[in-house]
Amino acid sequence: QSALTQPASVSGSPGQSITISCTGTSSDVGGYNYVSWYQQHPGKAPKLMIYDVSNRPSGVSNRFSGSKSGNTASLTISGLQAEDEADYYCSSYTSSSTLEGVFGGGTKLTVL
Amino acid sequence: EVQLVESGGGLVQPGGSLRLSCAASGFTFSSYWMHWVRQAPGKGLVWVSRINSDGSSTSYADSVKGRFTISRDNAKNTLYLQMNSLRAEDTAVYYCARLNVDIVAPDYWGQGTLVTVSS
Repeated sequence: QSALTQPASVSGSPGQSITISCTGTSSDVGGYNYVSWYQQHPGKAPKLMIYDVSNRPSGVSNRFSGSKSGNTASLTISGLQAEDEADYYCSSYTSSSTLEGVFGGGTKLTVL
Repeated sequence: EVQLVESGGGLVQPGGSLRLSCAASGFTFSSYWMHWVRQAPGKGLVWVSRINSDGSSTSYADSVKGRFTISRDNAKNTLYLQMNSLRAEDTAVYYCARLNVDIVAPDYWGQGTLVTVSS
């Protein structure tokens, strides 16, 4: 199945806010409120940061927030900190695959 | 504490076989669907396979269909991925992940095991 579309890279200075987009279709992002976001530091396993479009698991900072409009979901990180520098992946339920899920290609966040 | 620990990775020649294991603890393994996800060096995450809670339903990415087999032993709290006819493009870190059906997404991941297919 086709991956969701994310920008390859975004950057921001400490204290600023950034937004990462994730564009799919009506068969995935646009059709269901099952969008998740994962943070991955180099050499580490992905960590769930947002689920069901805008919900944060226990322990995740409220500087991380999610939203969705049409076929595009977004992850916003406010008050950027050095430790936020990582790769971020969106994921969505999809009706187009028996695997039921599809990932975005990933976005490298650089904190300047 | 939920823990997923993969093992079984290594260097294998093209055309060879390997079996990955994922030992689960800290939760009722038999109640959860499980996934294998891989990440080629410097690349993104890709779903490989998933299995339902009792092992009666499985699904595979087109790229591995017919070559990989996912299975589980709920008595041993262990997930498996049998990989046959390995190709260079199967080189990746393989993660097992627990699927949370309430959010339809993996919520816990193992640390991964590296599979390198090369002569």
